[in-house]
Amino acid sequence: DIQMTQSPSSVSASVGSKVTITCRASQRIASWLAWYQHTPGKAPKLLIYAASNLQSGVPSRFSGSGSGTDFTLTISSLQPEDSATYYCQQANSFLGHTFGGGTKVEIK
Amino acid sequence: QVQLQQSGAEIKKPGASVKVSCKASGYRFTDYYLNWVRQAPGQGLEWMGWINPDSGATIYEYKFQDRVTMTRDTSITTGYLEVRSLRSDDTAVYYCASGGSVSSGSGEYWGQGTLVTVSS
Repeated sequence: DIQMTQSPSSVSASVGSKVTITCRASQRIASWLAWYQHTPGKAPKLLIYAASNLQSGVPSRFSGSGSGTDFTLTISSLQPEDSATYYCQQANSFLGHTFGGGTKVEIK
Repeated sequence: QVQLQQSGAEIKKPGASVKVSCKASGYRFTDYYLNWVRQAPGQGLEWMGWINPDSGATIYEYKFQDRVTMTRDTSITTGYLEVRSLRSDDTAVYYCASGGSVSSGSGEYWGQGTLVTVSS
């Protein structure tokens, strides 16, 4: 099984600041990576697919990069509504859609 | 619009089974894999597996292979997740998810979640 490791596990940042979350795969997965935002009581929301493609309707302050084993989700200017837990997910259907452990983003 | 409507909350005793349904509408049901994901209290998201609604083929996360079955009924565009031999650590919110591009992981569209509580 492919393991997905996220860091940090939590981050606290001010409104307007830049937040970067990293995700590492235990083996190369090309660009088979998605990022999700999850807030309590709601269903997860797809933010990024294929490592760097912004899902329709997602604000442009979210961006994704990387390929192979190392990936990054960046929030360029943190907003109050971005308080949530973010997960990366291996997206190759035949390798299992393993999630990372999650990164909790809090607003200072 | 696309909707995934899940069945209601369940309370089960340890050792019992539960079957959660996910009714899809607003898209062609057989076009996208149907994924199942769960979140236990205080834990992260956990992918359980997917079913190809067109062929019925499934892939399960290794830890669930012995206790989980995913099925579908294309005539009513509904997918099902059955978990057997329930334990207290199966207490979780269970989600179905589907749709989106081929590299969007579990999918663009999600059900509202079904809380399954396992307690004696």
